[in-house]
Order: sequence, then C-alpha cells, then structure tokens
Amino acid sequence: ETGVTQSPTHLIKTRGQQVTLRCSSQSGHNTVSWYQQALGQGPQFIFQYYREEENGRGNFPPRFSGLQFPNYSSELNVNALELDDSALYLCASSFQIADTQYFGPGTRLTVL
Amino acid sequence: SQKIEQNSEALNIQEGKTATLTCNYTNYSPAYLQWYRQDPGRGPVFLLLIRENEKEKRKERLKVTFDTTLKQSLFHITASQPADSATYLCALIDAGGTSYGKLTFGQGTILTVHP
Repeated sequence: ETGVTQSPTHLIKTRGQQVTLRCSSQSGHNTVSWYQQALGQGPQFIFQYYREEENGRGNFPPRFSGLQFPNYSSELNVNALELDDSALYLCASSFQIADTQYFGPGTRLTVL
Repeated sequence: SQKIEQNSEALNIQEGKTATLTCNYTNYSPAYLQWYRQDPGRGPVFLLLIRENEKEKRKERLKVTFDTTLKQSLFHITASQPADSATYLCALIDAGGTSYGKLTFGQGTILTVHP
C-alpha cells in the first residue's frame, strides 16, 4: 500500500463528455504526476504538479487539464472525450519533484 | 529521437531460476533509472532505483545494474517464484529534460514463472 488513493475505480463515459478524476497523495508528498496507460503499453506522462503549480507537461492536448489543491490532492480533467482516451489513468505522488514516485491503483476509464 | 525499450515482451522461466530483464535507452542523459512491478489492472509498485553513478543495487532477491556507456540496465530476480509473475517496467528520469520530474517508461516485460 502506497497511501496514494484514486477515485473512482472505474468510469464509463460517452464520446464528447467530460470527466474528472481525483487523487489523494501520500502524506508528506507535495508533488503529483498523472499518467495514461493504454492496454499493453507503459504509462505515458500527462503532467506534473508541484505545490499547486504545473511543473511540466507531456504530449497531451489542452483538453487534458489538471489542478493541485493546498492539501496536495489533485484532479485530472478531460474534456470532449474521444474513444482513444479509454485507458488506465494513474496518479503518482513524490516527496519532491525528482524523487521516487509512488502510484495509486488507477482509474479505468472507458469511452463508448 | 528519444527511446526506451525493454527487449522482451514476455519472458517465461522455471521456478528457482534467475530471471533477467533488459532495458535499453537512446538519446537520454538519465539522472536515474527505476524498476516497477505491475499486476493486471493495478498501479505500478516501486521496486528499486539506481543512480547514474551507481553500477549495481540489490534488495533481497532483486539486483539492478546500470551501464551508462552501453545505455542499458539489467534487472535480475534470483530464485524466482510463481508469485514473481507480473509485468516489470523500467522508467528513467532524464537529467537533461525540460520536465525534470517526468518518468519515461518502457513498454514492460511480462514475466511468467512456471512451477
């Protein structure tokens, strides 16, 4: 158990809808990173937040956005869902920016 | 272009043998490299971290080596057990990257240990 929690566990949406995924970081961690993992692939970096500021972004379009709150929990928002957005979304927290990242169990998003 | 590759999609071994997984990278200057274990439908679990100035790291039955000249890391599980069956992911943080905290993952190797 890493202490990183994510909600919901599973989610089914239809194309064009919007979704919000949530993550609570491990106690004492101020950095949260989000990853998308398609079936059979390694996780792909979406973005990272450090003390409520975005600290880097991967090759994802602007319809992927995020927030980090003062308690260091975080949200990932995806607008205008597409079929290819179906994946396991992983949140990871770390003590500092480049420290070891500890992952939550993930949210399985299915877009129909 | 930058690339990180795990050279086996799947590896099958007999219980008690040593499993060796390979991770190769190109066009990175990694600050360090990590290995994770992932079970189906679950998040990756951190196993070991090795820094660019370290040659080898051990933890119980696990051993990682890091050769920055060959641009390769090897991950060994000795005395393997069926419970070691999982997908193993290597990931690195690029010291020269614009997103310093970004982990870049390989595609994973599915290890199956047969009784």
